[in-house]
Amino acid sequence: GAGVSQSPSNKVTEKGKDVELRCDPISGHTALYWYRQSLGQGLEFLIYFQGNSAPDKSGLPSDRFSAERTGGSVSTLTIQRTQQEDSAVYLCASSLGEYGYGYTFGSGTRLTVV
Amino acid sequence: AQSVTQLDSQVPVFEEAPVELRCNYSSSVSVYLFWYVQYPNQGLQLLLKYLSGSTLVESINGFEAEFNKSQTSFHLRKPSVHISDTAEYFCAVSANNAGNMLTFGGGTRLMVKP
Repeated sequence: GAGVSQSPSNKVTEKGKDVELRCDPISGHTALYWYRQSLGQGLEFLIYFQGNSAPDKSGLPSDRFSAERTGGSVSTLTIQRTQQEDSAVYLCASSLGEYGYGYTFGSGTRLTVV
Repeated sequence: AQSVTQLDSQVPVFEEAPVELRCNYSSSVSVYLFWYVQYPNQGLQLLLKYLSGSTLVESINGFEAEFNKSQTSFHLRKPSVHISDTAEYFCAVSANNAGNMLTFGGGTRLMVKP
């Protein structure tokens, strides 16, 4: 597609439920990143996929968080047993994976855990 | 490892006044530098970037940034701001030993008042 697409744009869920957030990167972009942005805060790195390499999961805050990228394209971020502190905007970005290229971000998914 | 410091979390300014958003970085290797802008309820958009060549880079909407290697800075400036420039601005660095990973600063909220 023309840009990075994220769905849903908004998600309200009850505490303890599982949620799945989807990211559809720009076609041909080999690198894909997930970030979290809490209200009024900066960007918190979560996970990074580059081609067929093992993902860099160093930013995942707990084992309730996981992500996969199927076929080197679409990625799904799953949060199990959601907690109120998981409420945030989850941003996905993709890139050609080349040094200096920079990222293209999606519009994000606003997750609210009630 | 790289780090990025944005010294001001918020910058209030009146319309048509000049503004400077400060960004300092630390890195033991050469870097590429980026500024991203996030308008309310949107994802991040690339504003401008420095890769090589002239240390002064410009965006299409009147912002400019100057790479200063000796001061390890990449401050963003605009001589006359508009209400529509109200947004969050993020400085980021990409080091040549970190693949395509970007390290982001904490962001600066620019608030333009009439």
